[in-house]
Amino acid sequence: GDSVTQMEGPVTLSEEAFLTINCTYTATGYPSLFWYVQYPGEGLQLLLKATKADDKGSNKGFEATYRKETTSFHLEKGSVQVSDSAVYFCALSDIGNQFYFGTGTSLTVIP
Amino acid sequence: ETGVTQSPTHLIKTRGQQVTLRCSSQSGHNTVSWYQQALGQGPQFIFQYYREEENGRGNFPPRFSGLQFPNYSSELNVNALELDDSALYLCASSAEQGRGTEAFFGQGTRLTVV
Repeated sequence: GDSVTQMEGPVTLSEEAFLTINCTYTATGYPSLFWYVQYPGEGLQLLLKATKADDKGSNKGFEATYRKETTSFHLEKGSVQVSDSAVYFCALSDIGNQFYFGTGTSLTVIP
Repeated sequence: ETGVTQSPTHLIKTRGQQVTLRCSSQSGHNTVSWYQQALGQGPQFIFQYYREEENGRGNFPPRFSGLQFPNYSSELNVNALELDDSALYLCASSAEQGRGTEAFFGQGTRLTVV
């Protein structure tokens, strides 16, 4: 079945550091890939997405590239801010819009 | 445009009881999905409703059931509650059944079973 494996946390970084959160997936079909973010006390919000191989999703300085050959969708940001502290979830969806999530990576950015 | 709203936000139930959780989908969205998020885990797909019909189900027992109404709002019912049912229950709505469609999530209902 479909599944997502995500880098374990928690991750603690200093402000302006470079961020990478690894994500790999297993899928029977050709999924779309997503990163969702959950800020403290809030629901899940879409951060970015990609729907086909070599697509790059980007938003708020975050980027991720759909790599079909390595079945990966790693999240990166060049310079994190305190306001980026949150839990990040990698996810895939199939044609039926049923989402499969990773376990989440908690990020804390310290000033 | 209102987002996805869920009620109640928190509740506590006793093992063996039944519970109903409610979700109002975002305006114009005809698809509603329910997810269970245990503490420290990612959301797990329970089932999906599309235009009032069940349209897919995850690996959850039949005591998890649901409904979707003509206005596309939805209910999740759980019978014979178990301690392991304690979790955050998330509702998500989407506008269409298509590749790459975003799901919009509510803030969830925190269920505690004692």
